[in-house]
Amino acid sequence: DIQMTQSPATLSASEGDRVTITCRASQSISSWLAWYQQKPGKAPKLLIYKASTLESGVPSRFSGSGSGTEFTLTISSLQPDDFATYYCQQYNSYSRTFGQGTRVEIK
Amino acid sequence: EVHLVESGEGLVQPGGSLKLSCAASGFTFSSYAIYWVRQAPGKGLEYVSGISNDGGVTSYADSVKGRFTISRDNSKNTVYLQMGSLRADDMAVYYCVRGQGWNGAGTYFDSWGQGTLVTVSS
Repeated sequence: DIQMTQSPATLSASEGDRVTITCRASQSISSWLAWYQQKPGKAPKLLIYKASTLESGVPSRFSGSGSGTEFTLTISSLQPDDFATYYCQQYNSYSRTFGQGTRVEIK
Repeated sequence: EVHLVESGEGLVQPGGSLKLSCAASGFTFSSYAIYWVRQAPGKGLEYVSGISNDGGVTSYADSVKGRFTISRDNSKNTVYLQMGSLRADDMAVYYCVRGQGWNGAGTYFDSWGQGTLVTVSS
């Protein structure tokens, strides 16, 4: 199975900060990567698919990049609503594995 | 608007069985693959199972293969997850999700239900 590794596990940041989360795949997944945001007690929400395509309705401060084995999710200017946990997910293979998550907390 | 509503929440003893349902609305149900993704308390997300739009193809995570069975009834816009031989590590919130962007191997998940809790305990 393809393993997905996110870093960091926890990120402390302030409103207005530029934030970058990294996701690495154990083998090439082309651009078959999605990012999700999850708030406590809520279902995850799709942010980005195919590594860099913004889901409809998602603010433009979110962006994704990368291909092959290394990917990043960037929030250009952190807003209060963005404090949450973020997950990457590969869909290059049937295993559809998720990263372990990155919690973005208030500094 | 897409709606996925899970039901079947419950407490079951180790070794027991439970059936979850996912009722869908707001889209052409028979055109989409549907999946189950779970999240153990305080943990991350784990793919569990999926079924193609016509029910002809199913997939399972190794951790549930042989114990769980996914099915669907397109006349009722509903997907089911029959869970058997339940273990403590099956305890989780189970989300019903809609698949999107089929690339011949996988999909991402563009819509999620609110989740239903399965508790496995004696």
